[in-house]
Formats: sequence, structure tokens, C-alpha cells
Amino acid sequence: DSGVTQTPKHLITATGQRVTLRCSPRSGDLSVYWYQQSLDQGLQFLIQYYNGEERAKGNILERFSAQQFPDLHSELNLSSLELGDSALYFCASSVAQGRSYGYTFGSGTRLTVV
Amino acid sequence: KNEVEQSPQNLTAQEGEFITINCSYSVGISALHWLQQHPGGGIVSLFMLSSGKKKHGRLIATINIQEKHSSLHITASHPRDSAVYICAVDSDEGGADGLTFGKGTHLIIQP
Repeated sequence: DSGVTQTPKHLITATGQRVTLRCSPRSGDLSVYWYQQSLDQGLQFLIQYYNGEERAKGNILERFSAQQFPDLHSELNLSSLELGDSALYFCASSVAQGRSYGYTFGSGTRLTVV
Repeated sequence: KNEVEQSPQNLTAQEGEFITINCSYSVGISALHWLQQHPGGGIVSLFMLSSGKKKHGRLIATINIQEKHSSLHITASHPRDSAVYICAVDSDEGGADGLTFGKGTHLIIQP
């Protein structure tokens, strides 16, 4: 157990639907990063939150959004789902803004859109 | 934007062999990470490097900042080392922007 908890582990849903992925960071970590891993694109950075505030955006689609709550857990919301959104979604946490502090990864949520 | 290249993409070796996986990147970084991903998905951080060399058990990671190159070595490889090894970098450009990843090296160690 890495200390980063992601739920659910697996999710199967239909096109056009909306889902929410949840991440609880390692105790003491203030930063949460979301990554998408797909077969064609590999691992890509989506978005980062630090202590409740959005700090950086990567290749995140407008249909996707995220937030970090006062208890520091984070949720990634994916809407109007398409077949191409099928991927592994990872959350990672870090003590601070991540740069050179190291990261702890969760076990991921596997999303299948049918 | 940083480009991260890994080689080889695929590597099959016999148990006991010395393994080397290479990573090169295009622009300055604050840190380089080696990650391991087993089938089934979870990612484990093996090393974080900003200079020199680190060793953990049978794993050794080195980085040459001037040449923008890092290597991951596995000594006395074992079938349980079979996994995907991913190189990732933290850019030193302004602002926290997450990791940029290589495409990974798929390693299979045969008994």
C-alpha cells in the first residue's frame, strides 16, 4: 500500500455518461496530480492541485474537471464520455508542489467506456 | 516542452543477466524519476535523481546532467524484475507542471 488511495479500481460505463474518480493522497502530502495512461498516448499529465487550489493544467480536455477538497482528497470528473477516454487514470501525491520532492502513485482507476 | 526518449522499447533477457535501460531528455530538468509498472497497472517510484548515482538493492540509477542522459541498471536480473520501466522528468521551467514521461521499456526476464 503506497498510501495513496484511488477508488474505484475499475469502472465500466457507456458513452455520453459522467463519472467521478476519487483520490486520497498520502498523509501529509498537500499536492495531488492526475495522470492519464492510454495505449496510444502513454502517460500524460492532466492537472495539479496544491492545498485546494489548481496550480497547473496539462493535456486535460474541457469535458474533464477536477477539484481538491479541504480534507485534501481530490476528485476527477469526466463527462460526455467517449470511447477514446478509456484509459488508466492515476493520481500521485507529493509533499509540496512536487518539484524534486518525489511522488507517490496510487494504484489507478481503469476506466472502460463502451 | 521536454521530450523524453527511452531505449530499448522492449528487452528480453535471461535470468542473471545485467540489464541497462537508457533515457535521454531534451531540456533542463530539476529531477529525473525512474518508475516501475507491473502488469495490472500500479506505478512504483524507484529513484529520484538530480545528479550522480543512486543504488537500491540490485538497482542502480545514474544521471549525466551535461549529456541529458540517465541509465537504469539491474544486476543479477530475476523474473520478478519483469515489468515496464518508465523514465519521467520534472522540468525546471517556471511553474509546477507535472511529470513528462518516456514511453517505457517493457522488460521480460526469462528463467
